[in-house]
Amino acid sequence: EPEVTQTPSHQVTQMGQEVILRCVPISNHLYFYWYRQILGQKVEFLVSFYNNEISEKSEIFDDQFSVERPDGSNFTLKIRSTKLEDSAMYFCASSAQGGGANVLTFGAGSRLTVL
Amino acid sequence: AQTVTQSQPEMSVQEAETVTLSCTYDTSESDYYLFWYKQPPSRQMILVIRQEAYKQQNATENRFSVNFQKAAKSFSLKISDSQLGDAAMYFCAYRSAYGAAGNKLTFGGGTRVLVKP
Repeated sequence: EPEVTQTPSHQVTQMGQEVILRCVPISNHLYFYWYRQILGQKVEFLVSFYNNEISEKSEIFDDQFSVERPDGSNFTLKIRSTKLEDSAMYFCASSAQGGGANVLTFGAGSRLTVL
Repeated sequence: AQTVTQSQPEMSVQEAETVTLSCTYDTSESDYYLFWYKQPPSRQMILVIRQEAYKQQNATENRFSVNFQKAAKSFSLKISDSQLGDAAMYFCAYRSAYGAAGNKLTFGGGTRVLVKP
């Protein structure tokens, strides 16, 4: 069964450092997403991406966050200058099409710990 | 903005018994989709079942079924004949049917299901 692959599984970083989380979506999927889950809290939407641009983003996704699809297979989330409150599990997802009916396939997540 | 609420932080069920997880949501939209995702200890969220709001018939998927009450904005998940492999965190989620808002899932806080042998 096709999978969404995320790396690293766990990253520890110092406050103020830049972090890049990587995702390899399912190969024929066209829509890509990032979600995050702070420990003990709800899974929250960050951003959706289609046709090489952001299609929607939440208020959490401020200027310190960016996404790109650098090579046609990877989908990355960059946090420019990490803060303590960025510590969370980050989930990548992809879907074949956009819109409410389409099912997202999630990766296993990348745990980010900011010290 | 839509909200999704799961009022049960944890549920325990005996193997082979049935457990029902509750989910309520708040929306002003008439067309939307509802999902239950399972997150086992391996962390990867897996779709369990999906319901289209325009369909009156409740969705079923093997041992998993939902009770969708649109007027009450309720979407409960029933797991029948519970198995040890059902132990996981279960998330209820909402997705709009309209435009760009359909790109995001709004999740509830999750219910942890424990299965006792």
